[in-house]
Amino acid sequence: AQTVTQSQPEMSVQEAETVTLSCTYDTSESDYYLFWYKQPPSRQMILVIRQEAYKQQNATENRFSVNFQKAAKSFSLKISDSQLGDAAMYFCAYRTVNYGGSQGNLIFGKGTKLSVKP
Amino acid sequence: ETGVTQTPRHLVMGMTNKKSLKCEQHLGHNAMYWYKQSAKKPLELMFVYNFKEQTENNSVPSRFSPECPNSSHLFLHLHTLQPEDSALYLCASSQDVWDSPLHFGNGTRLTVT
Repeated sequence: AQTVTQSQPEMSVQEAETVTLSCTYDTSESDYYLFWYKQPPSRQMILVIRQEAYKQQNATENRFSVNFQKAAKSFSLKISDSQLGDAAMYFCAYRTVNYGGSQGNLIFGKGTKLSVKP
Repeated sequence: ETGVTQTPRHLVMGMTNKKSLKCEQHLGHNAMYWYKQSAKKPLELMFVYNFKEQTENNSVPSRFSPECPNSSHLFLHLHTLQPEDSALYLCASSQDVWDSPLHFGNGTRLTVT
């Protein structure tokens, strides 16, 4: 079975600085999707970035980028120029490319709470 | 406005009560989902509906009963819950069940006393 591990329960960053959140996963599959979701105090889960395993190029979305190391099964999120609004829980998630099940069947990590200091 | 609205925002109920959680999406999506987010546990998928038909039930106890009268509305009927069912219940929707992004609501914080 697939698992997702986020080893940092809490992280802190100074405003305008860069922070990296770690995620590792375990799978025997060769094709899959990886995601980072953000959950601010409003509780809404918001998709930050998505990576397809067959793509070697790391995904980027504005200040957010990933370091995807497929062989090491590592998928870290880098937030550049951190802003106060980035403070939230961040969840790493895995989804199989298996059309026998829906895309809702994401496997989530336990999350990392990010604080941003002014 | 999130596009996916959940009510109520908070709910406290006794173990013998019957209550319902409501989710409405204004995005024209065809798929809707219920997730459970417990303290110190990963988010868990509960149910999936595609075009009003339930397509997945992740071994959820029968005290949770979903209902999807149309593609815009999703309910979770609750009865004889246990204290361990206390959690944040999140609803999500997507255009399809395969590859389109999930849009989440703000959740209902449920406390079972």
